[in-house]
Amino acid sequence: QKEVEQNSGPLSVPEGAIASLNCTYSDRGSQSFFWYRQYSGKSPELIMSIYSNGDKEDGRFTAQLNKASQYVSLLIRDSQPSDSATYLCAVNIPGGTSYGKLTFGQGTILTVHP
Amino acid sequence: DAGVTQSPTHLIKTRGQHVTLRCSPISGHKSVSWYQQVLGQGPQFIFQYYEKEERGRGNFPDRFSARQFPNYSSELNVNALLLGDSALYLCASSKPNTGELFFGEGSRLTVL
Repeated sequence: QKEVEQNSGPLSVPEGAIASLNCTYSDRGSQSFFWYRQYSGKSPELIMSIYSNGDKEDGRFTAQLNKASQYVSLLIRDSQPSDSATYLCAVNIPGGTSYGKLTFGQGTILTVHP
Repeated sequence: DAGVTQSPTHLIKTRGQHVTLRCSPISGHKSVSWYQQVLGQGPQFIFQYYEKEERGRGNFPDRFSARQFPNYSSELNVNALLLGDSALYLCASSKPNTGELFFGEGSRLTVL
């Protein structure tokens, strides 16, 4: 079992729709969860961090965390063509000074079509 | 404020050669991490340095080494390059007390 799993997609949604991206993780000791956006040929860009169960909203983005189910998701409302990218789920590697040690999923390719 | 800077941005090496990649973190960030990203995969953790000490190492061979300098900049060294080392090498610095990583633009290494 992979430590962080995402559907590789591609996920295709029409402009203006809600895009839903999902991620599961295996280590129950993980405490920090992140979503990154990566455009083709570019480096990952942090868009959301979440640390406690529930929802966290930032503009058109909502991250959801359920530690009991070991599940984290990202919703993108009013999707725009500029949201087309690969979305990476990342989870901290527990133990020691864990800041800076993340395990990434393989990413979900999102395409928003006009 | 300047973000994470990496150099060089692109480089081509041949098998058996050695490479050094450089990184400067965001001002005020004391932790630097290195990641390898091959095409179609998520980044994979290589090293973490904090206050000039190695604080974590991923599942990479001893051909990979790194260090952090007093000004918190860092180098990643890879010896005896293999074709499979071709990848995007990402440096990230950590925002204190959050675990949030901010990546540089990366160094794209091609090994021929």
